[in-house]
Amino acid sequence: QQQVKQSPQSLIVQKGGISIINCAYENTAFDYFPWYQQFPGKGPALLIAIRPDVSEKKEGRFTISFNKSAKQFSLHIMDSQPGDSATYFCAAGYTGTASKLTFGTGTRLQVTL
Amino acid sequence: DARVTQTPRHKVTEMGQEVTMRCQPILGHNTVFWYRQTMMQGLELLAYFRNRAPLDDSGMPKDRFSAEMPDATLATLKIQPSEPRDSAVYFCASGLPRTGHYNEQFFGPGTRLTVL
Repeated sequence: QQQVKQSPQSLIVQKGGISIINCAYENTAFDYFPWYQQFPGKGPALLIAIRPDVSEKKEGRFTISFNKSAKQFSLHIMDSQPGDSATYFCAAGYTGTASKLTFGTGTRLQVTL
Repeated sequence: DARVTQTPRHKVTEMGQEVTMRCQPILGHNTVFWYRQTMMQGLELLAYFRNRAPLDDSGMPKDRFSAEMPDATLATLKIQPSEPRDSAVYFCASGLPRTGHYNEQFFGPGTRLTVL
């Protein structure tokens, strides 16, 4: 019940294209869904996050779409750039003081010229 | 600027040796997490602490791994004895969870451990 399933494992997108990464969760008690971005040799860093009371959140070229009934959420990267090449992790957890996160297995994104 | 620091950044050791990894969380953060990252398993939570007390260490092999927070500025993860299957990148993260807020975890740069 604590699993978060992420797909695809890897993704190659041309510069200017749209990158889409999908995640699914099982535990309906989760109320916090962040995405983390990790560059080679670095630790993951928070990119964008959403709570289940909204269906979409946009920050610049990054958008989270959230489907509560399907228990799925996705990250869309518009106008993908070579600098977006990184590994992306979705996660699920809780707001409040119960701060543990369950991470997906990661998607390695490569944006080509 | 405030960041999580980890030492050492790289460690190569032989099977059977003790390994100690250290983490300095961001000043003021009361929650510290230890993760292990491998290609096969992704990011696995090993243990986490709140106000220096262990809250959950169910992800950690108890026979060889131990995690402690001697004080608020230092967290340690020890492996004794180490095995080749422990080869991975170990991340420390810290945070300050608050009701009604997104609970961002701030990750350190990691310790890349190779056990020969």
